[in-house]
Amino acid sequence: GESVGLHLPTLSVQEGDNSIINCAYSNSASDYFIWYKQESGKGPQFIIDIRSNMDKRQGQRVTVLLNKTVKHLSLQIAATQPGDSAVYFCAEMGKTSYDKVIFGPGTSLSVIP
Amino acid sequence: NAGVTQTPKFQVLKTGQSMTLQCAQDMNHEYMSWYRQDPGMGLRLIHYSVGAGITDQGEVPNGYNVSRSTTEDFPLRLLSAAPSQTSVYFCASTPSQGVYGYTFGSGTRLTVV
Repeated sequence: GESVGLHLPTLSVQEGDNSIINCAYSNSASDYFIWYKQESGKGPQFIIDIRSNMDKRQGQRVTVLLNKTVKHLSLQIAATQPGDSAVYFCAEMGKTSYDKVIFGPGTSLSVIP
Repeated sequence: NAGVTQTPKFQVLKTGQSMTLQCAQDMNHEYMSWYRQDPGMGLRLIHYSVGAGITDQGEVPNGYNVSRSTTEDFPLRLLSAAPSQTSVYFCASTPSQGVYGYTFGSGTRLTVV
């Protein structure tokens, strides 16, 4: 069935290094993809989004890459900081308000000082 | 703007008790939804609403009820609590699903004993 999954459930990186979090999706009709960050005890927080007509989008220290050929989404965090330690979710959705949103289970990112 | 406000933050219920989780947003968002988050699983949709007076079931609606009498409020009712409903509940809203990302509340941690 349709699913959004993460290749790595946990990721540890050294402070200052770049982090890459991956996500696979199975619904080729999905039009909109979002990365969320969830810190302990808090709700998910929007980081960056990308539409299916784009391959790459950059924000502040974050970049999302979309490879529609292999149905793969990634989040790159540059110069990872201790404050980046959190669980990161990807989500996919269709074009309308009635389309189902699918969230992945999350990847836990730990930054080593 | 306060964003999405959920109350209470923590709650312990006995099996069979009923209660209402409150959710309010002050951003005039049309779309609101309730998710539950369980360890190792992605966010699962319980119920959603695309506007005042309109609600629909999500992926896991059994045992829950919702109403949307105003744009601002979207309460979630547990009719007869069961241990399987022990979870963290998140309310989320967006101006338009598929166009924008969600704004999440800080969550309600519910334990049913």
